[in-house]
Amino acid sequence: SQTIHQWPATLVQPVGSPLSLECTVEGTSNPNLYWYRQAAGRGLQLLFYSVGIGQISSEVPQNLSASRPQDRQFILSSKKLLLSDSGFYLCAWRTGLAGTNEQFFGPGTRLTVL
Amino acid sequence: DAKTTQPPSMDCAEGRAANLPCNHSTISGNEYVYWYRQIHSQGPQYIIHGLKNNETNEMASLIITEDRKSSTLILPHATLRDTAVYYCIVRRKASNDYKLSFGAGTTVTVRA
Repeated sequence: SQTIHQWPATLVQPVGSPLSLECTVEGTSNPNLYWYRQAAGRGLQLLFYSVGIGQISSEVPQNLSASRPQDRQFILSSKKLLLSDSGFYLCAWRTGLAGTNEQFFGPGTRLTVL
Repeated sequence: DAKTTQPPSMDCAEGRAANLPCNHSTISGNEYVYWYRQIHSQGPQYIIHGLKNNETNEMASLIITEDRKSSTLILPHATLRDTAVYYCIVRRKASNDYKLSFGAGTTVTVRA
């Protein structure tokens, strides 16, 4: 069966510090991968998605970047965090096969920027 | 993708059916209706999806009106663990880079 991991689970970082969040998927190959952010009391906002190694699409301009160095690894980064980067970051995957629709979400990372 | 409208919150008694409405009046013929839920501090969980026929699985039933402008998610016997935010999403049939747009959803509170 497939599983998705995210770490760390929680993170407190000062403004201006760098960020690296990691997401890995097991039990599948060539998944589509997604990064979402959820601000407090809000819905989910899609930040990035990837359909393959090295292929990243950005949904909104922001202070963050994403990379996919391996098939089942998706990394969210920032060189200098802003207060507005605080939130709940969720990674998700779905099979890359056409016609299969569900996205499966990881447990999330709660980031607080002080 | 078509926009959806859901009530911000609703209460439900434990053991009773919970009927969650969703309006999607601008839905087009090739768009599916998806439902996800998010229990506090967890990632969203897929529940069910449908195009025009009613659907049922082990978690819920999805009733889509004949004109497809609205739908209802039914949790047949709500439990305290069903307390969550429920999202109704309309999406075109999956292409290879399919994306989900989550709105504010309905906060469902199941009470003993």
